[in-house]
Amino acid sequence: KQEVTQIPAALSVPEGENLVLNCSFTDSAIYNLQWFRQDPGKGLTSLLLIQSSQREQTSGRLNASLDKSSGRSTLYIAASQPGDSATYLCAVNSGSRLTFGEGTQLTVNP
Amino acid sequence: EPEVTQTPSHQVTQMGQEVILRCVPISNHLYFYWYRQILGQKVEFLVSFYNNEISEKSEIFDDQFSVERPDGSNFTLKIRSTKLEDSAMYFCASSEAARRIYEQYFGPGTRLTVT
Repeated sequence: KQEVTQIPAALSVPEGENLVLNCSFTDSAIYNLQWFRQDPGKGLTSLLLIQSSQREQTSGRLNASLDKSSGRSTLYIAASQPGDSATYLCAVNSGSRLTFGEGTQLTVNP
Repeated sequence: EPEVTQTPSHQVTQMGQEVILRCVPISNHLYFYWYRQILGQKVEFLVSFYNNEISEKSEIFDDQFSVERPDGSNFTLKIRSTKLEDSAMYFCASSEAARRIYEQYFGPGTRLTVT
């Protein structure tokens, strides 16, 4: 059974700082991995999709990496802004289902 | 930009009642999903649906739950005889043809409160 873990559970940084969120998964037989953003009481916004054959994917200030063999992914956020404050979720696709981590709650302080 | 929509945004029901949560997936998508998130917990997979039948379901998706695509646009989740522990945010998602490759797009969710 796939298990997804995210570290840290919460992170508070000053505006402008670069930061890294971590995701690990137990079964390396995945098709892809998605990073999502969730604002309080809201839905899930897809940020990046990285296929199992890819090592990296970039969108604006976001960069996601994937090391399938070691079961790890990171989400790098450059030059963080207060508007980046949200919970970031990692989810792996091992079939038709996504298995989610518990998320990292990010606070960017002005 | 196309998006997944869900109605209602909030549903309050009494224990034992039946509820139907509705979703309109992105129009050219062929795979549909339901997930739920109990307050403070992880998002959990419930069921995936393709070609008018369930393709995968989790252990949560028992006989209390059913899904249907009643027409060409709607995708519904029915919960029979709701329980207090069914209170959660329910998310619908959809993806293009090849479920293993394509990104899943999520709707804004329906908050279900069972009293």
